[in-house]
Amino acid sequence: ETGVTQTPRHLVMGMTNKKSLKCEQHLGHNAMYWYKQSAKKPLELMFVYSLEERVENNSVPSRFSPECPNSSHLFLHLHTLQPEDSALYLCASSREPGVLTGQYFGPGTRLTVL
Amino acid sequence: GQNIDQPTEMTATEGAIVQINCTYQTSGFNGLFWYQQHAGEAPTFLSYNVLDGLEEKGRFSSFLSRSKGYSYLLLKELQMKDSASYLCAVGSGNTGKLIFGQGTTLQVKP
Repeated sequence: ETGVTQTPRHLVMGMTNKKSLKCEQHLGHNAMYWYKQSAKKPLELMFVYSLEERVENNSVPSRFSPECPNSSHLFLHLHTLQPEDSALYLCASSREPGVLTGQYFGPGTRLTVL
Repeated sequence: GQNIDQPTEMTATEGAIVQINCTYQTSGFNGLFWYQQHAGEAPTFLSYNVLDGLEEKGRFSSFLSRSKGYSYLLLKELQMKDSASYLCAVGSGNTGKLIFGQGTTLQVKP
């Protein structure tokens, strides 16, 4: 399934670095999501975008900054991260922002913060 | 508060049937989802229930009781490739928010 792609697949960064994660969906969907998946913890929703407008910010620290320039692309800009931010970051999309349709996930970016 | 509970681990035998339970307490409810996630891969959508009852899709079935805050995923004729984590998630609100349980890791043995 290549409907949702994410780059890079792996990223190692220091606490003072600035990096960006990229997500692209080829499904014609109108909603996109960022999730964080840490070891032994449930998937946590971070942000929801509907038609390029942010509609949900799940109490995420400001060192994570999302950007949605169009309905096919979603970025997560990272700066001054902490080691506890190391996790798998998953992007997802759905036809509409409501939950009557399934969300389709990308392969994720494995982030390690040193 | 929001709480979704499912067993952490389960083991079953190839060819058998296994039922993975999920109980939830959430402030809103827009449906219950099951996802499958193989190690190192993205979650993939399995099923969706919004009304009470059983939804069958091939070897997989999902059941929902809204009054009891309870769902289960039933896997029949287990295959080795079914070894994965199974994530229960509840839809909440109208922004597409999904609240996930921590997942049940299923190991299928020969």
